[in-house]
Amino acid sequence: EDQVTQSPEALRLQEGESSSLNCSYTVSGLRGLFWYRQDPGKGPEFLFTLYSAGEEKEKERLKATLTKKESFLHITAPKPEDSATYLCAVRGGSQGNLIFGKGTKLSVKP
Amino acid sequence: DAGVIQSPRHEVTEMGQEVTLRCKPISGHNSLFWYRQTMMRGLELLIYFNNNVPIDDSGMPEDRFSAKMPNASFSTLKIQPSEPRDSAVYFCASTLQGLVEQFFGPGTRLTVL
Repeated sequence: EDQVTQSPEALRLQEGESSSLNCSYTVSGLRGLFWYRQDPGKGPEFLFTLYSAGEEKEKERLKATLTKKESFLHITAPKPEDSATYLCAVRGGSQGNLIFGKGTKLSVKP
Repeated sequence: DAGVIQSPRHEVTEMGQEVTLRCKPISGHNSLFWYRQTMMRGLELLIYFNNNVPIDDSGMPEDRFSAKMPNASFSTLKIQPSEPRDSAVYFCASTLQGLVEQFFGPGTRLTVL
């Protein structure tokens, strides 16, 4: 059964304090690993897609990396506006649907 | 440039009542997804359509749930009868088949008393 586990559930950082969020997955035939950002009261917003181990993508203070078993979302020198819930999802097998983790709620204090 | 539109944004109803949630996907998109989000279970896919045809409804929890897509610009998710455990935020998302990104609507927060 395809599964996605995110840790930690919640993370509190001071502004400028770099850290990483983890996404562990088990899937038959990975066809993409996705990171989304979700602000309170809004729908998820797409950030990155990774397809193969060793791949990395960056956007502003965020960098996503992928191995055969997990993905990390590195946040460098975060700002309060980076506070949100970050969701990881995988697409595997022959289906087009995404399987989401429960997310990591990030709070960045000034 | 309008994104995915969902209505209503909030719905409060009593157990046993029929609830209909509505979604207008982004113009030109041909894949549409209905998700449910709760604290306990996270974001779960209920059903998705390609070119207005239901492809996978294995996530629909019970026969009380049904979804339709009569045309490319409109979809409904109906719950009849509703139960308190159906309380959740329901999201609609759309994309163009072959695209990586799914575009989510703002969601409908459903409370069943």
